[in-house]
Amino acid sequence: DADVTQTPRNRITKTGKRIMLECSQTKGHDRMYWYRQDPGLGLQLIYYSFDVKDINKGEISDGYSVSRQAQAKFSLSLESAIPNQTALYFCATSESRDSYNEQFFGPGTRLTVL
Amino acid sequence: EDQVTQSPEALRLQEGESSSLNCSYTVSGLRGLFWYRQDPGKGPEFLFTLYSAGEEKEKERLKATLTKKESFLHITAPKPEDSATYLCAVRANQAGTALIFGKGTTLSVSS
Repeated sequence: DADVTQTPRNRITKTGKRIMLECSQTKGHDRMYWYRQDPGLGLQLIYYSFDVKDINKGEISDGYSVSRQAQAKFSLSLESAIPNQTALYFCATSESRDSYNEQFFGPGTRLTVL
Repeated sequence: EDQVTQSPEALRLQEGESSSLNCSYTVSGLRGLFWYRQDPGKGPEFLFTLYSAGEEKEKERLKATLTKKESFLHITAPKPEDSATYLCAVRANQAGTALIFGKGTTLSVSS
């Protein structure tokens, strides 16, 4: 089984709808991240969480919110989806020890907002 | 401003034709440089971490090196299955735990 899973894998929705993307991990990592990837652009950080009680905004958090339900679960919500939020969304995890910075990514969710 | 630039954007090679991908960076205190491989429609797959100038890491046909200004990903005798987008990312003092990604180099290897 995959260490980092994301649901759904594909989603088509309409402008103004509320959408939740879910991420679960079995790696036992404390830190979790949400990124978006647009064609021709690098990965951009939306939100990250060091533990259940610690959530931080990334560089492009406007229009998004997150919830860390447990160590293993981190959800991303689009309260009112708009077309320019059409992108690939990735969840990632890493260990909490500072010397181990490698982030491990899930398979992604392809979101289309019409 | 912390920045990562990868070149070339795209590279086409014949099977067995060795080459290198470049990742140049300007950051305020490097705390790690990372290479990932990404296949179409999939999540990035971790390859290497480099921490200090002069460090080298190898995995099969791939070898990553690091200087104070750039990193190279050398691909020796590539095979078609090496075709993918290769992403470079850095962690800098100012960025906290965040990784700053380059836009990637898309490698195509034909037989």
